[in-house]
Amino acid sequence: NAGVTQTPKFQVLKTGQSMTLQCAQDMNHEYMSWYRQDPGMGLRLIHYSVGAGITDQGEVPNGYNVSRSTTEDFPLRLLSAAPSQTSVYFCASSQGTSYEQYFGPGTRLTVT
Amino acid sequence: AQRVTQPEKLLSVFKGAPVELKCNYSYSGSPELFWYVQYSRQRLQLLLRHISRESIKGFTADLNKGETSFHLKKPFAQEEDSAMYYCALSEGMNTGFQKLVFGTGTRLLVSP
Repeated sequence: NAGVTQTPKFQVLKTGQSMTLQCAQDMNHEYMSWYRQDPGMGLRLIHYSVGAGITDQGEVPNGYNVSRSTTEDFPLRLLSAAPSQTSVYFCASSQGTSYEQYFGPGTRLTVT
Repeated sequence: AQRVTQPEKLLSVFKGAPVELKCNYSYSGSPELFWYVQYSRQRLQLLLRHISRESIKGFTADLNKGETSFHLKKPFAQEEDSAMYYCALSEGMNTGFQKLVFGTGTRLLVSP
């Protein structure tokens, strides 16, 4: 199993550009989530999903959209990138019967 | 609001020395506490959680509700323990998605 995969690994955007960070998992997990990590701060929850078609906001959802059309995929969309969105983004998945969250390798995004 | 505090950014010890990584939390209910670890060039992964009361790789952590702490301890540090350690808290729901609140992390460096 590949576990949780994220693409791309690195990305540079200009202010106002849009892009989608991809996240996929092959463990048939119910729950998926997106976190961002900024220097000197812990990971913060952006959005999460408890199943296909069901998403909800986390602690810092502004500027991001998500959807969950399949169990495997949970893309994160930046509609109009801002320098404040420069961060490392982590996707995670978990099964409802377990507390453990499995993390992807991260995407480092820079917005200039 | 929930908050997790890890007061040390860096903890440097010699091989064989005892290690204690500090974690304090702020939460009015009954939280679930976790330690996640990220080794160099690896993904963030679960190390242990308080509810299981187990020892993983020689590490233990006891939840002290009176002091609102969940310090991570190991009696004899090994070089392979060098990593970034994150303390995390969730609301402790028996079912459903675990919204994790992370501390800022402590880098443990074990020298030979």
